[in-house]
Amino acid sequence: QQQVKQSPQSLIVQKGGIPIINCAYENTAFDYFPWYQQFPGKGPALLIAIRPDVSEKKEGRFTISFNKSAKQFSLHIMDSQPGDSATYFCAATITGNQFYFGTGTSLTVIP
Amino acid sequence: DAGITQSPRHKVTETGTPVTLRCHQTENHRYMYWYRQDPGHGLRLIHYSYGVKDTDKGEVSDGYSVSRSKTEDFLLTLESATSSQTSVYFCAISEGGRPYNEQFFGPGTRLTVL
Repeated sequence: QQQVKQSPQSLIVQKGGIPIINCAYENTAFDYFPWYQQFPGKGPALLIAIRPDVSEKKEGRFTISFNKSAKQFSLHIMDSQPGDSATYFCAATITGNQFYFGTGTSLTVIP
Repeated sequence: DAGITQSPRHKVTETGTPVTLRCHQTENHRYMYWYRQDPGHGLRLIHYSYGVKDTDKGEVSDGYSVSRSKTEDFLLTLESATSSQTSVYFCAISEGGRPYNEQFFGPGTRLTVL
């Protein structure tokens, strides 16, 4: 059973567009929600993370929106660039040790 | 890759043979993890360690065992490899402690079981 459900599976946007990736969870005990970025042939790397007591967090062109009542969170990439083309994973954890990952979204930004 | 190496980087083996993957860190982090990555499943935790000789199961631990005799090394063993264990395996490390526990991932090992 997938603890964190992620959509869409793939996404294609034009340069400058704002891709949005969504994740949903059921377990209200989750208390930390990171996003990871992965380039082909590499391991995932932490991009940005949020706690459930905050509704939004921005780091550069990346923004997480968090809706605690709906048990959903999303990643927005402002002014997307071809270099943002990668696979993005959302995740959630209760203990800070066991992380549950979404199935990933393959993003392609067309020049 | 944050001082994490994995070996081998690629391996092809046959069904029924034992396989050991190694993760080595130079960061002296307390926690180490093994994940597998498969299309349509994302990353799934196999086992993790919170100290030397202290390990625990993740969500897909069946068919895998681990050992950690030194802080810097975490071994993943497939006792008798099966085709369903064909995957890309990632090691990760973290300093530990909840809840803001950033994980750093290694470069991965691509394992093919024929």
